[in-house]
Amino acid sequence: DAKTTQPPSMDCAEGRAANLPCNHSTISGNEYVYWYRQIHSQGPQYIIHGLKNNETNEMASLIITEDRKSSTLILPHATLRDTAVYYCIVADRGSTLGRLYFGRGTQLTVWP
Amino acid sequence: GAGVSQTPSNKVTEKGKYVELRCDPISGHTALYWYRQSLGQGPEFLIYFQGTGAADDSGLPNDRFFAVRPEGSVSTLKIQRTERGDSAVYLCASSLTQGDTQYFGPGTRLTVL
Repeated sequence: DAKTTQPPSMDCAEGRAANLPCNHSTISGNEYVYWYRQIHSQGPQYIIHGLKNNETNEMASLIITEDRKSSTLILPHATLRDTAVYYCIVADRGSTLGRLYFGRGTQLTVWP
Repeated sequence: GAGVSQTPSNKVTEKGKYVELRCDPISGHTALYWYRQSLGQGPEFLIYFQGTGAADDSGLPNDRFFAVRPEGSVSTLKIQRTERGDSAVYLCASSLTQGDTQYFGPGTRLTVL
């Protein structure tokens, strides 16, 4: 089962920052937080992941709270092409189980 | 470099027929995963290979589903006696090794009439 809770939908004006929240209150010490997104009719696209520290790459920033029970994905300047379903996933990289639990994600709509 | 590729992109078949779906992982990736996604849902895990062996096949819904990866690279998902409920998008992902970030292909949309 998915160990994360996300709002079903959000919207954002083009050019503004999109802040997508995720709750993972039962996360364990070995579990990373991953974010993927899925644009309509495409496969999921990896965005970013982190364990404890905040992370930034060319796509987004990931802010993880100190207690690690929640996180926020930030798209600093959203564009229309960022409209997608965003999935927050917790996964143990050291586990022998390979599966990712996706849940239903957040539908982000960026409007002009 | 090339990402994960899946063929065919679309497959339409009749109830009761046999289908094969193919996945070409990223070169050098030893772990390969199959997921299934129904309309409006997130992807659901089916099976995971480390090398040639199935490390976890607990997500396969029943014995009509089978997957192989004979040389540790390309994988084929095989579905026997297809049913209308098998209609979904079948996604493949690969990672450098077990536990690493998974990268997904575009999926195969299977429609069973």
